[in-house]
Amino acid sequence: KNQVEQSPQSLIILEGKNCTLQCNYTVSPFSNLRWYKQDTGRGPVSLTIMTFSENTKSNGRYTATLDADTKQSSLHITASQLSDSASYICVVSSSYSSASKIIFGSGTRLSIRP
Amino acid sequence: DAGVTQSPTHLIKTRGQHVTLRCSPISGHKSVSWYQQVLGQGPQFIFQYYEKEERGRGNFPDRFSARQFPNYSSELNVNALLLGDSALYLCASSLEGLGSYEQYFGPGTRLTVT
Repeated sequence: KNQVEQSPQSLIILEGKNCTLQCNYTVSPFSNLRWYKQDTGRGPVSLTIMTFSENTKSNGRYTATLDADTKQSSLHITASQLSDSASYICVVSSSYSSASKIIFGSGTRLSIRP
Repeated sequence: DAGVTQSPTHLIKTRGQHVTLRCSPISGHKSVSWYQQVLGQGPQFIFQYYEKEERGRGNFPDRFSARQFPNYSSELNVNALLLGDSALYLCASSLEGLGSYEQYFGPGTRLTVT
């Protein structure tokens, strides 16, 4: 069964601290993995996208890693800011022939405290 | 340059009714995907359309249907509404249908079924 599991479910850290969010997937065949940031009541905004051959990608203070062998990804946030408070969602796409399937994780709810 | 637009922003319907949600992709984008996001959970993939053809379908009943028009805009239709259909419905557009193309999300339509 195609699944994307994220941990932790929620996380509270102090402003300025670093944190790492985890994503494990069982989606096959694998096409790409994306991390999104979603503010409450808004649509998700893309942070990074990685294909099978990529194992790390950065976007400012966000760094995503991908281990395609163990089917794990992480999102590391450096020097957190209050505006980082949001849900972070891991999304894995599976493409085969002319069809595609997109599976979202349930997200990690991150709260940054001053 | 306009992003993905969705209408209406909010909608209240009663059980058994029908609803039509609309999405206009970013200019030049040929693919539109629809997602359902229940409060507190990650989005669930409903459909992907590319060049007016269905290219992906999630695990949703036949009450859910969609189509893409020649101008690449899209409609999501839901028949015989149930209370459980209450959710944020997100539309995302991308340049092409498959592969590692970036997806851009609209603000969503909040559907409440009473």
